Amino acid sequence: SAVISQKPSRDICQRGTSLTIQCQVDSQVTMMFWYRQQPGQSLTLIATANQGSEATYESGFVIDKFPISRPNLTFSTLTVSNMSPEDSSIYLCSVGVFRGRRGANVLTFGAGSRLTVL
Amino acid sequence: GQQVMQIPQYQHVQEGEDFTTYCNSSTTLSNIQWYKQRPGGHPVFLIQLVKSGEVKKQKRLTFQFGEAKKNSSLHITATQTTDVGTYFCAGRGGGNKLTFGTGTQLKVEL
Repeated sequence: SAVISQKPSRDICQRGTSLTIQCQVDSQVTMMFWYRQQPGQSLTLIATANQGSEATYESGFVIDKFPISRPNLTFSTLTVSNMSPEDSSIYLCSVGVFRGRRGANVLTFGAGSRLTVL
Repeated sequence: GQQVMQIPQYQHVQEGEDFTTYCNSSTTLSNIQWYKQRPGGHPVFLIQLVKSGEVKKQKRLTFQFGEAKKNSSLHITATQTTDVGTYFCAGRGGGNKLTFGTGTQLKVEL
């Protein structure tokens, strides 16, 4: 299965600043996603990162706040812009891969980026 | 939109006791997946269920998919400390979107 490298692993940021998270995959993948996991909560899909075109955002998330780049099939970035304490969360990069005889489309996650906004 | 709820939210058990988490979707699912997230870690895929009424086993873990394909359960027999973590179901409904459940955090005490 795909191996995902995500950085930074954690950061402490000041209110009003922006931070870019990088996600590198060791193989070419079609489906790449960004999730947010607030402390003690479930995973919420922010957007699907599309190679060569604009990302597809879920309800409640907008490009101005979470711009995403996907320059090729192995790399993506998520920027958290103009951060506030409410943005303190774990941000997870994931890729969709097919596993098993029946080709189950499952998610493999990076280790996550834990952001704390002061 | 599609909602996936899990109960209980938390469960503390003594090592050796059994554990079950239940997953309920507001809509019919094409398939359901289960993930485990260890404390401080990231979610890791466990299994996928596709067929109505399907039951799958992985050692001490038993997964079921409901007949109506709107609910699922994960049962762990004789829990061990290595079972500690949060278990998420994730349902795939219309539009091929995967929606994660609210999760059940399991703590196992010696």
